Amino acid sequence: DVVMTQSPLSLPVTLGQPASISCRSSQSLVNSDGNTYLNWFQQRPGQSPRRLIYKVSNRDSGVPDRFSGSGSGTDFTLKISRVEAEDVGVYYCMQGTHWPITFGQGTRLEIK
Amino acid sequence: EVQLLESGGGLGQPGGSLRLSCAASGFTFTSYAMSWVRQAPGKGLEWVSAISGSGVSTYYADSLKGRFTISRDNSKNTLYLEMNNLRGEDTAVYYCAKDGLVATLGEFDYWGQGTLVTVSS
Repeated sequence: DVVMTQSPLSLPVTLGQPASISCRSSQSLVNSDGNTYLNWFQQRPGQSPRRLIYKVSNRDSGVPDRFSGSGSGTDFTLKISRVEAEDVGVYYCMQGTHWPITFGQGTRLEIK
Repeated sequence: EVQLLESGGGLGQPGGSLRLSCAASGFTFTSYAMSWVRQAPGKGLEWVSAISGSGVSTYYADSLKGRFTISRDNSKNTLYLEMNNLRGEDTAVYYCAKDGLVATLGEFDYWGQGTLVTVSS
């Protein structure tokens, strides 16, 4: 199985400051169709996961533009340009290129 | 508006069975693959099973070892997960998630609210 490794696992951030989460995969996530199936999800306390970013860098409808995704191959990053209180929660990367689908361990973002 | 509503969770006995359901609305159900993803208490997300839009193709996490069966009734816009020979490690919130046109790519653009399964004697 493809192992997804996130860092850091805990991320204390001051309101208004940027935040960055790294996700590394044990194999390249470039699919045979040329796409890279790397998604980012946000799970706020007590809520279901919500997709933020799909195929590395495409922001879902309704997701604030302070969220951005980047990367290629095995190295990916989720950035929040200015953290707001509503961003508190756990963030997961997930790959769908290789069966089975696998998730990162999650990064808990908290406000300092 | 896409809605996914899970039901069927509750207390299950070790070695027993439970059947989860996920009622879907707001999209053409038969066109999309669907998945189940679970989350043990205080833990991360784990993909469990997927099914193609037609229901012909099914996929399972190796760790399940044949104990779970995914199915769907496209006439009722409903996804199911039959869970047999329950174990303590199956205790989790089970989410259904809408996938894309192709199962196993993990598009997961919509999720249900989840249903809690607790396995205990």
